[in-house]
Amino acid sequence: AQTVTQSQPEMSVQEAETVTLSCTYDTSESNYYLFWYKQPPSRQMILVIRQEAYKQQNATENRFSVNFQKAAKSFSLKISDSQLGDTAMYFCALRGGGADGLTFGKGTHLIIQP
Amino acid sequence: DVKVTQSSRYLVKRTGEKVFLECVQDMDHENMFWYRQDPGLGLRLIYFSYDVKMKEKGDIPEGYSVSREKKERFSLILESASTNQTSMYLCASMILLRSGRVDTQYFGPGTRLTVL
Repeated sequence: AQTVTQSQPEMSVQEAETVTLSCTYDTSESNYYLFWYKQPPSRQMILVIRQEAYKQQNATENRFSVNFQKAAKSFSLKISDSQLGDTAMYFCALRGGGADGLTFGKGTHLIIQP
Repeated sequence: DVKVTQSSRYLVKRTGEKVFLECVQDMDHENMFWYRQDPGLGLRLIYFSYDVKMKEKGDIPEGYSVSREKKERFSLILESASTNQTSMYLCASMILLRSGRVDTQYFGPGTRLTVL
């Protein structure tokens, strides 16, 4: 069975600061994929960033980057220059090599203060 | 852009009623999924489907069934709704890339179901 653990239920930072959301996971598969999804208040879930486990290079999407530590089974999300619009629930998710569904963490509620 | 729509944003039903939640995607995706989202629990997979008339149980299938008669439509059925099925239900779809590259699951807006 796969598991995803997000140990920070809620975080709050000031606008323009850098924030890191933690995620650890467990899987027995050698080929898997990791994702961070964002769910703004009352809005649709959208993909923030994804990482293929076989790639050593950390994924980056504009202000969002990950620190993927495969041996430690850690997949943290760093948000640089945080903006008010980054306020949302953030979910870490894992998928095996097939077309199965995602295994999600419990989420981190990120609040960006003006 | 991929569009995944769900038939209702809010739904209120009574215990014992049969409930249908509908999901439609417009991108010819093979794979579709139903999740439920509960505070403090994240999202949990109920059922998914690889193709028309195909279905697979997820992590929490008890009390639910699904139907996929057409490629673009995936229905979640609560045969006899119970109060513990009060939740947010999210549908998602995904294309299967033959190249082996990962693709993204695209989510619908969700249906908030209340069972009284």
